Amino acid sequence: AQKITQTQPGMFVQEKEAVTLDCTYDTSDQSYGLFWYKQPSSGEMIFLIYQGSYDEQNATEGRYSLNFQKARKSANLVISASQLGDSAMYFCAMRGRGGGSNYKLTFGKGTLLTVNP
Amino acid sequence: ETGVTQTPRHLVMGMTNKKSLKCEQHLGHNAMYWYKQSAKKPLELMFVYSLEERVENNSVPSRFSPECPNSSHLFLHLHTLQPEDSALYLCASSQGLAGPTGELFFGEGSRLTVL
Repeated sequence: AQKITQTQPGMFVQEKEAVTLDCTYDTSDQSYGLFWYKQPSSGEMIFLIYQGSYDEQNATEGRYSLNFQKARKSANLVISASQLGDSAMYFCAMRGRGGGSNYKLTFGKGTLLTVNP
Repeated sequence: ETGVTQTPRHLVMGMTNKKSLKCEQHLGHNAMYWYKQSAKKPLELMFVYSLEERVENNSVPSRFSPECPNSSHLFLHLHTLQPEDSALYLCASSQGLAGPTGELFFGEGSRLTVL
């Protein structure tokens, strides 16, 4: 079974500063994918970034980067130069690549990020 | 504008009502999903359709009945719901069940309140 743990229910950051949102995971799969989604108050889940378990380099997408530490089973999201529009819920998720149910995304409980002006 | 459209955005219903949630994707995908998002709980996968065939029914009570008439449309029919079914219901789609990265594209959700 796969499990995602996000230990920060809420985080605050000043505009233009960087922030790290924590995510740890547990899986018995050798090959898996890790995802981060953003959910603003409108409700839509927006895909931000993906990291494959065999990717040698940490994923980056614009102001988003994923600090992947495989041995520690962590996949923290780093947002640089925070903007007011970054205020939202952030979800970490994973998908195994083995077996017949590799389409299932397992989500964490989320972290509510508030960016202060 | 999102490629996945859900209607209605908000729904209030009594426990004896019958209603339906609709999802339409304009992305040319062939897999569609229903997720339930309750307060302070992780998203729960409810149903998965691939090429209009149901491939997952994640122990969901029979008062929730999905329908996928074609690859662009997905419905969730609701009847005799309970107050604990109040939640945000999110529809998602993907190209194939896994896709290159497994990325799902979500709609904005239907906020359901059961009185």
